[in-house]
Amino acid sequence: GENVEQHPSTLSVQEGDSAVIKCTYSDSASNYFPWYKQELGKRPQLIIDIRSNVGEKKDQRIAVTLNKTAKHFSLHITETQPEDSAVYFCAASSGGYQKVTFGTGTKLQVIP
Amino acid sequence: GAVVSQHPSWVICKSGTSVKIECRSLDFQATTMFWYRQFPKQSLMLMATSNEGSKATYEQGVEKDKFLINHASLTLSTLTVTSAHPEDSSFYICSARDIQGVTYEQYFGPGTRLTVT
Repeated sequence: GENVEQHPSTLSVQEGDSAVIKCTYSDSASNYFPWYKQELGKRPQLIIDIRSNVGEKKDQRIAVTLNKTAKHFSLHITETQPEDSAVYFCAASSGGYQKVTFGTGTKLQVIP
Repeated sequence: GAVVSQHPSWVICKSGTSVKIECRSLDFQATTMFWYRQFPKQSLMLMATSNEGSKATYEQGVEKDKFLINHASLTLSTLTVTSAHPEDSSFYICSARDIQGVTYEQYFGPGTRLTVT
């Protein structure tokens, strides 16, 4: 089955700096890579996603890059704000049902 | 946007009893729903894939006789935790994908906090 690794597990940045979270996946059949933000006790919230036929996608301060050859994808958050503080999960999805496998999570703390 | 609800949002039960959790897609149809379990400070672990009108597919290590899944309609899936034990205490989250959607996006329910005493 799919295995998704995520680094770092914790990340502290100063407000205004950039944050980068990296993930690798194992199943070459994975074709959809969503990123989620989860606040304590709440559901995961999709913040950006990318399909395997695209190498990069950007939405305001958030961008994701995908390297299919290396099975590697990353989340970039620029101009971080305190409200960006949360746990972020990468994920990989494949198959007819688009079963989603989550990474281990990164706790991001943005220091004012 | 697409909305998924779960009921109850939290439940406390005694060890040995069974608890049923409902997952509903409110404004779309879902032939497939997924059930996840999340322990504190950990990731979401997929438990099973719920298929409307057929048996659920369980992930390795998940006891199908303990976690009963029924997907009775295109908008409802239920997870029953049978003979619950304290180690089953966790945050259970479902997700669903719109069968008529053009994206691969999964819509998540708000989760159910289960505490077994």
